[in-house]
Amino acid sequence: AQKVTQAQTEISVVEKEDVTLDCVYETRDTTYYLFWYKQPPSGELVFLIRRNSFDEQNEISGRYSWNFQKSTSSFNFTITASQVVDSAVYFCALDRGSTLGRLYFGRGTQLTVWP
Amino acid sequence: EAGVAQSPRYKIIEKRQSVAFWCNPISGHATLYWYQQILGQGPKLLIQFQNNGVVDDSQLPKDRFSAERLKGVDSTLKIQPAKLEDSAVYLCASSLNTGDYYEQYFGPGTRLTVT
Repeated sequence: AQKVTQAQTEISVVEKEDVTLDCVYETRDTTYYLFWYKQPPSGELVFLIRRNSFDEQNEISGRYSWNFQKSTSSFNFTITASQVVDSAVYFCALDRGSTLGRLYFGRGTQLTVWP
Repeated sequence: EAGVAQSPRYKIIEKRQSVAFWCNPISGHATLYWYQQILGQGPKLLIQFQNNGVVDDSQLPKDRFSAERLKGVDSTLKIQPAKLEDSAVYLCASSLNTGDYYEQYFGPGTRLTVT
């Protein structure tokens, strides 16, 4: 069975602090995809990043970076120098490579960035 | 390019009433998804269409929920009769199905309150 766990329910930081959101996943598949989505108060899910199970190269994109470690089944997401506009719920999700895009979401982490 | 459109944005009904939600995917997207997001949880897939055929409806409570995608474009999700536990945001997503992955684009959602 597929499962995504986001242990952090809520995180509060002050603007310009760095923040890391944790994600642990479970799957027996050898091919799978991992995602991070952002859900601002408007409600629309915004795609941030996708990684496949064969690509453990970590990446930095602007203020965002990702740390994918298959050995610990973790796919953590870091925002550097956080801003108030980063306040949102962040979801980690897993897709089995063979299921045409069915996403299994974690429960989400509410990030609040205070000015 | 226009995004995924959903209507209505908000709906309040009494239990045992019926309700319908409409989704217009991004033009040319063959795959359409309906997700249910209960407050404080991540989205859960209800049904997935490929063109006008159902790919996965294993999580759809078929005794009260139904969905259709006429002509492989717009889709309607119906609940009849509604229960209190159906209060949630109903998200529609679509994907193009190119390359090695089916990236999903989400609409703004319909927030349903059942009283």
